[in-house]
Amino acid sequence: NAGVTQTPKFQVLKTGQSMTLQCAQDMNHNSMYWYRQDPGMGLRLIYYSASEGTTDKGEVPNGYNVSRLNKREFSLRLESAAPSQTSVYFCASSGSSGGLGNEQFFGPGTRLTVL
Amino acid sequence: EDQVTQSPEALRLQEGESSSLNCSYTVSGLRGLFWYRQDPGKGPEFLFTLYSAGEEKEKERLKATLTKKESFLHITAPKPEDSATYLCAVQARGTSYGKLTFGQGTILTVHP
Repeated sequence: NAGVTQTPKFQVLKTGQSMTLQCAQDMNHNSMYWYRQDPGMGLRLIYYSASEGTTDKGEVPNGYNVSRLNKREFSLRLESAAPSQTSVYFCASSGSSGGLGNEQFFGPGTRLTVL
Repeated sequence: EDQVTQSPEALRLQEGESSSLNCSYTVSGLRGLFWYRQDPGKGPEFLFTLYSAGEEKEKERLKATLTKKESFLHITAPKPEDSATYLCAVQARGTSYGKLTFGQGTILTVHP
């Protein structure tokens, strides 16, 4: 099993450009998450999908949109990139949204730079 | 508001020198406390989940313990390959989704 995969691994954008970060999991998990990791700020939740067909905002959703394409795939879109969105983005998945065994498993990350 | 504070920020050890990392937390009813390991340039790797005070879990040279206010990650006779950032996170009861609140992490360096 590949676990959680993310594409691309690296990306450089100019201010105002748009892009979509892709995430897929092969663990048959119900819940999926998007985080950003910044120095001194730790991991912060952007959006989550508790189950297929649902999405909700996390702590820092401004400037982002998400799509839960099916049970396996969860994408994150930046419509008009800003330098403040320079960060490392991680996708994660878990078997349940709130019950025991809610360990989240992370992908390898996408390193995004916005110039 | 849920809070997680990890200490120290950075820890340097000699190979074989045992030590502990601390994770202090404030949460409105703990559902679970999670430990992760993160290597440079990679995603966090799940290590342990602890659910109630007094619980302990072990994996190789790592042992995690939990009290009502903090968790410790004990590292016994560490090796250079244990060098990484160790992250602690908590999940509160009553959350409608798997919201985790993360600490800033402890950067562990083990010298040969």
